[in-house]
Amino acid sequence: NFMLTQPHSVSESPGKTVTISCTRSSGSIASNYVQWYQQRPGSAPTTVIYEDNQRPSGVPDRFSGSIDSSSNSASLTISGLKTEDEADYYCQSYDSTLRVFGGGTKLTVL
Amino acid sequence: QVTLRESGPALVKPTQTLTLTCTFSGFSLSTSGMCVSWIRQPPGKALEWLALIDWDDDKYYSTSLKTRLTISKDTSKNQVVLTMTNMDPVDTATYYCARSTIAVAHFDYWGQGTLVTVSS
Repeated sequence: NFMLTQPHSVSESPGKTVTISCTRSSGSIASNYVQWYQQRPGSAPTTVIYEDNQRPSGVPDRFSGSIDSSSNSASLTISGLKTEDEADYYCQSYDSTLRVFGGGTKLTVL
Repeated sequence: QVTLRESGPALVKPTQTLTLTCTFSGFSLSTSGMCVSWIRQPPGKALEWLALIDWDDDKYYSTSLKTRLTISKDTSKNQVVLTMTNMDPVDTATYYCARSTIAVAHFDYWGQGTLVTVSS
């Protein structure tokens, strides 16, 4: 088993850039794709990044994803922050038998 | 158009068995590589993956909950069923079903979720 660790919360001002990290506890972060989901209160999660750095159609290019093998972590970067980006963000990855979510990061845009 | 919808009881008593059904459309669970998972989220807490069933009827479970979970499918009805035994108040959560593929494990479509409360 492995875990994905995210910061509990981050905050930034509108128009700025924020990065949320997701660190894998064991096994290589590069071995299995990482996804990022956005969840607003009362709604199901929606994908903002899949396969490490791919954006679904309809997700603005202000959202980007990357992985860093040296820190065994993935990152979600949101540039040009808007108040509508305020939400919870979850990373997710997998191995041969398990699917794993990070603990989630609450993004506040103020 | 892919849709998933969860159904089941809103309230169960401690020690009871929970049975949830995911009814989906827009894809077939007999298509190679296709999977359906159950994921839950206690109020104010994080998402937790519970179980997955794939097109080949292979089943995978959360390590911490595998003794209590059973996942099954009825391909003809486009349904996936999750049972969870010995329910406890800590199992109070919104339960989601979601589609993915075996290759990249991306949950690309989710149901709206169903809130299950465990209380006597």
